Amino acid sequence: DQQVKQNSPSLSVQEGRISILNCDYTNSMFDYFLWYKKYPAEGPTFLISISSIKDKNEDGRFTVFLNKSAKHLSLHIVPSQPGDSAVYFCAARRSGGGADGLTFGKGTHLIIQP
Amino acid sequence: DADVTQTPRNRITKTGKRIMLECSQTKGHDRMYWYRQDPGLGLRLIYYSFDVKDINKGEISDGYSVSRQAQAKFSLSLESAIPNQTALYFCASRPSGSTDTQYFGPGTRLTVL
Repeated sequence: DQQVKQNSPSLSVQEGRISILNCDYTNSMFDYFLWYKKYPAEGPTFLISISSIKDKNEDGRFTVFLNKSAKHLSLHIVPSQPGDSAVYFCAARRSGGGADGLTFGKGTHLIIQP
Repeated sequence: DADVTQTPRNRITKTGKRIMLECSQTKGHDRMYWYRQDPGLGLRLIYYSFDVKDINKGEISDGYSVSRQAQAKFSLSLESAIPNQTALYFCASRPSGSTDTQYFGPGTRLTVL
């Protein structure tokens, strides 16, 4: 039973345009959300995060939006560049209970076309 | 110079064999994690450790054990490997008291025949 869902296995965007990657979650106890980027044969690398007390966080070309009432977050990349082609994972952390670790979505493969 | 290293990077073994995957981090982090990734399933937490003497089961710990030999080292063992443990394994670390920006190693691709 997936608690973090990325419903688009792949997304193709033209270079220079906006890429929007979506993520939905079901667990109301999640209080911190992260996006990781993964290239083949490498480990995931941290991209950007957002606390549940915020609705937007921006870092250069990357912006994450959080809609708590809809349990939805999105990652915007503007403008998209060829080096952005990778698999993007949405991840969430649960607050309280002494537990640790992240719950990941299945990932979205972003392909930036020239 | 990688901060989180994993050895081996690739391993092929047979059913029933004991396998150990090793992880080291140079970041001085308290917390360490093991995840596995299967095609189309994202990453799932196997075990995590708050410090050397505090080890906890994750979502899918059955069939695995871990050892935190030192703050910098966290190893994952498969006591008797089975084919459905064929996967990509990632180690990660982060400091306590911070936000959950975990730093991942490059992964170990394990194939159990």
